[in-house]
Amino acid sequence: QVQLVESGGGVVQPGRSLRLSCAASGFTFNSFPMHWVRQAPGKGLEWVSVVSYDGNNNYYADSVKGRFTSSRDNSKKTLFLQMDSLRAEDTAVYYCARPPSYYDIFYPMDVWGQGTTVTVSS
Amino acid sequence: EIVLTQSPGTLSLSPGERATLSCRASQSVSRSYLAWYQQKPGQAPRLLLYGASSRAAGIPERFGGSGSGTDFTLTISRLEPEDFAVYYCQQYDSSPFTFGPGTKVDI
Repeated sequence: QVQLVESGGGVVQPGRSLRLSCAASGFTFNSFPMHWVRQAPGKGLEWVSVVSYDGNNNYYADSVKGRFTSSRDNSKKTLFLQMDSLRAEDTAVYYCARPPSYYDIFYPMDVWGQGTTVTVSS
Repeated sequence: EIVLTQSPGTLSLSPGERATLSCRASQSVSRSYLAWYQQKPGQAPRLLLYGASSRAAGIPERFGGSGSGTDFTLTISRLEPEDFAVYYCQQYDSSPFTFGPGTKVDI
């Protein structure tokens, strides 16, 4: 079945880096844009980024622009989020998510992973 | 950036009652590219509606959406016990694809 599994979360000091992964299965990964969405403890959802189906286009929230980079390896059906210069306010559960339609980034997300927790603390 | 505002922050209702949730955008959401999600504690969000009014696969008919431009509404016609959750709107018309702050529907 269609599945997304995030990994790579953990505790990291401010200013350091972390790389999240999202392994996809059960669908044609290289045909779908992929999103990252995060949720700080007790807070609402915050959209983080989207990468196009071919990895050639990326869009980011202002809060992470210049610090986070999303990428993908279609041969391995894996999405990545490279997070640099981490701050305390980046502490959150990070979800990867897929839209219901091929190719077009202008769709909501109907398949979500279970999330991976990132804690930025000294 | 399109800023979304949801009201009320909390809606206290009973099973069987009708719930009306509002989402207002700081600028027009063209093509009605507005979605609604439900989230329960400890779970990932679940897509309910897209295009302001189209139900996602498997979503019961009691969930309905309306609106255009800057004002959108999610209606739950008769609340079931499993509907008590937090509801978020999201615009996917232009990047960044912002979410609203959420409305909690509780008993």
